[in-house]
Amino acid sequence: DQQVKQNSPSLSVQEGRISILNCDYTNSMFDYFLWYKKYPAEGPTFLISISSIKDKNEDGRFTVFLNKSAKHLSLHIVPSQPGDSAVYFCAASVRVIYNQGGKLIFGQGTELSVKP
Amino acid sequence: DADVTQTPRNRITKTGKRIMLECSQTKGHDRMYWYRQDPGLGLRLIYYSFDVKDINKGEISDGYSVSRQAQAKFSLSLESAIPNQTALYFCATSDRGGPQETQYFGPGTRLLVL
Repeated sequence: DQQVKQNSPSLSVQEGRISILNCDYTNSMFDYFLWYKKYPAEGPTFLISISSIKDKNEDGRFTVFLNKSAKHLSLHIVPSQPGDSAVYFCAASVRVIYNQGGKLIFGQGTELSVKP
Repeated sequence: DADVTQTPRNRITKTGKRIMLECSQTKGHDRMYWYRQDPGLGLRLIYYSFDVKDINKGEISDGYSVSRQAQAKFSLSLESAIPNQTALYFCATSDRGGPQETQYFGPGTRLLVL
């Protein structure tokens, strides 16, 4: 039972345009959401996060939007650059069990290709 | 120098063999994790440890065991490897004092079980 889903395995975008990566979740107890980025032959690296008390968090070219009623979050990259080409993982956690710490549930990943 | 290192980076083994994957970190973090990545399934948690004396099962611990030899070292063992354990394995760490979800990953170990 996949609690966090990324339904698009891949996305191709032209350089300079907006990339939108989507993620859906089923567990209403999730209260913290993150995006990780992964290059080939490297481990995932933390990109941006959002608490469930917010609906938007922005960090430079990266913005994450959260729609709790739809159980949906998205990552916007504007403008997209060739160096953004990577696999992006959405992840979620339940912080009310914070003392159990760091138990992330990951989506399947979306491979983004930004073409020059 | 990498903060989280994994050895070996690649490993081919045969069904029934016992193998160990090792993870070391220089970040001084208390919490360490082992994940596996499979195509179409994302990353799934195998085991995690909050300190040297603490070991916890994750989503998919069957067929695996772990050892936390020191704060900086966390190893994953496959007691009797089977082909469906072929996957990419990642170790990760997080800081007790910071957001636990901000985990720092090693480069991964690619394991093939024949």
